[in-house]
Amino acid sequence: DGGITQSPKYLFRKEGQNVTLSCEQNLNHDAMYWYRQDPGQGLRLIYYSQIVNDFQKGDIAEGYSVSREKKESFPLTVTSAQKNPTAFYLCASSWGWAGLMNTEAFFGQGTRLTVV
Amino acid sequence: KQEVTQIPAALSVPEGENLVLNCSFTDSAIYNLQWFRQDPGKGLTSLLLIQSSQREQTSGRLNASLDKSSGRSTLYIAASQPGDSATYLCAVRRSGGSNYKLTFGKGTLLTVNP
Repeated sequence: DGGITQSPKYLFRKEGQNVTLSCEQNLNHDAMYWYRQDPGQGLRLIYYSQIVNDFQKGDIAEGYSVSREKKESFPLTVTSAQKNPTAFYLCASSWGWAGLMNTEAFFGQGTRLTVV
Repeated sequence: KQEVTQIPAALSVPEGENLVLNCSFTDSAIYNLQWFRQDPGKGLTSLLLIQSSQREQTSGRLNASLDKSSGRSTLYIAASQPGDSATYLCAVRRSGGSNYKLTFGKGTLLTVNP
């Protein structure tokens, strides 16, 4: 089945720890994204990547880092610098935005991160 | 800065009713608009994508319309069922340049009562 796989589904982080959330897609999409969802705030963009070995900060990138070494993978690291990391994290992918390409976005099932 | 508003924030209807969810956006320079469904604790499921040149899209009991000039979109659900209960989100993608970003509304929580 084609789609986006996020793992783990639940993640617990101790104070001062870095944790990495996995996102893999087999849709052959160029663009990948990470969003954070908090109750009452909607989805906010953390990082996005248009192509392998390139990524850009979104609206709330502080305390997060990403890499894009392979087209199908876009892992997100939540560092100890992120002061309020408890949230639901969603990964998405789409075709690129050039010309007439369909840019419909598809999402994974999310990772719920809790600080303990 | 693009802002997306969804009204109402919550809606409860009896089974079988037709209903309309509203989405408005402040900047009409959009590339497309996408409607999603989210079940509790789950990811987003894409329902309909409307390109900026289109007026509406249909999929089964769902019909989405787009009026770009007025900054509005509606999602019409016909003959609602309890299984339609979920949060519905709309998102717009900007046009031009780096049209990478989807801006989301906060969603409408729909409850369909048997």
